[in-house]
Amino acid sequence: AQSVSQHNHHVILSEAASLELGCNYSYGGTVNLFWYVQYPGQHLQLLLKYFSGDPLVKGIKGFEAEFIKSKFSFNLRKPSVQWSDTAEYFCALWDTGRRALTFGSGTRLQVQP
Amino acid sequence: DTGVSQDPRHKITKRGQNVTFRCDPISEHNRLYWYRQTLGQGPEFLTYFQNEAQLEKSRLLSDRFSAERPKGSFSTLEIQRTEQGDSAMYLCASSPSGQGNYEQYFGPGTRLTVT
Repeated sequence: AQSVSQHNHHVILSEAASLELGCNYSYGGTVNLFWYVQYPGQHLQLLLKYFSGDPLVKGIKGFEAEFIKSKFSFNLRKPSVQWSDTAEYFCALWDTGRRALTFGSGTRLQVQP
Repeated sequence: DTGVSQDPRHKITKRGQNVTFRCDPISEHNRLYWYRQTLGQGPEFLTYFQNEAQLEKSRLLSDRFSAERPKGSFSTLEIQRTEQGDSAMYLCASSPSGQGNYEQYFGPGTRLTVT
């Protein structure tokens, strides 16, 4: 069965610090990967997605993620976080069998001003 | 706002009661999904509709749960004889049809509390 692991459950950073959130997946075939963000009191929004091609994908608000097939990873990065990046971040994998997304458990990011 | 809408946003019910939630997807989206999210976890897939046809159901969807999308537009999710373990956020998402259209647009969710 396909699965997604996010090992950092809660991350606290100061403004301007660099961010890297880990995401590992379990699936042997072609993958389609996503990062979603949920700001406090808001619904899930897509940050970025990887389908194929360049393994370094850029998303909204300065976020990027790198797909490393050999490591089964799709880590999210941002060079300099802002207080407004405080949110919960979810990595997700498209499950071709169920035709739905399989999500990780999420990482809660808290950015201190 | 033409995003996914869900109603109600919050529902408190007593154990054993039936509840029904509604989801209105983005109008041109043929695919509709229901997920459940509990505290500290990511959303878990429940069921998927392509137009009015329910094509996938998770094992999480016990026989107390039923979902419909009668005219291929809005969808309802009903939980019969609610249990405390049903307390969760129920999320609806939609996406356009077409090969490779996997991006889903989520609604704000319905938070269910079973007392």
